[in-house]
Amino acid sequence: EAGVTQFPSHSVIEKGQTVTLRCDPISGHDNLYWYRRVMGKEIKFLLHFVKESKQDESGMPNNRFLAERTGGTYSTLKVQPAELEDSGVYFCASSRRGLAGNSGANVLTFGAGSRLTVL
Amino acid sequence: GIQVEQSPPDLILQEGANSTLRCNFSDSVNNLQWFHQNPWGQLINLFYIPSGTKQNGRLSATTVATERYSLLYISSSQTTDSGVYFCAVESYDYKLSFGAGTTVTVRA
Repeated sequence: EAGVTQFPSHSVIEKGQTVTLRCDPISGHDNLYWYRRVMGKEIKFLLHFVKESKQDESGMPNNRFLAERTGGTYSTLKVQPAELEDSGVYFCASSRRGLAGNSGANVLTFGAGSRLTVL
Repeated sequence: GIQVEQSPPDLILQEGANSTLRCNFSDSVNNLQWFHQNPWGQLINLFYIPSGTKQNGRLSATTVATERYSLLYISSSQTTDSGVYFCAVESYDYKLSFGAGTTVTVRA
């Protein structure tokens, strides 16, 4: 099966501009996650979709970030306007929804990440 | 949130050497994954290991959930093993908390 695809792989923008990152999950995966790693720090959770619904967006840093998942397929993460501290690598991951009675089988498959550089 | 600590932060190995990476976590977790970030930046899942021991080729992992730690063993290291190794624990809301990673450099 094809893996999780993210693009662009690298984006360089000026402070104040807008960038949209896209993630195509593995076909059939209901769960879609966004994570990011900024300036060598830990990889941090941003949000979690189950199909087209936002299950948990507690990690979104502020209202400059907007994530959507139209039709429960691909997802976009828009940063508007971008700030210097938004630079980092944005990872997308997907997983199948856990089966009934299976409490732990939520294996995430990650994409290669989108590196964002804000100048 | 759950705190995840990895050690050592950096590891330099000669090709052929063995090594152990450690991951400590602060609370009970649903599950634990080990990842390898390759030179292209991709996070590759190595193990999904809530408890017990698993082996995959030259890599193996052990998680002792009751004592809140996991170990990743690399045997007969090769230059292709270089990269950053992350431990991530899954809380009961399916959210992963990552450690800071161990950067492994294997020299020929």
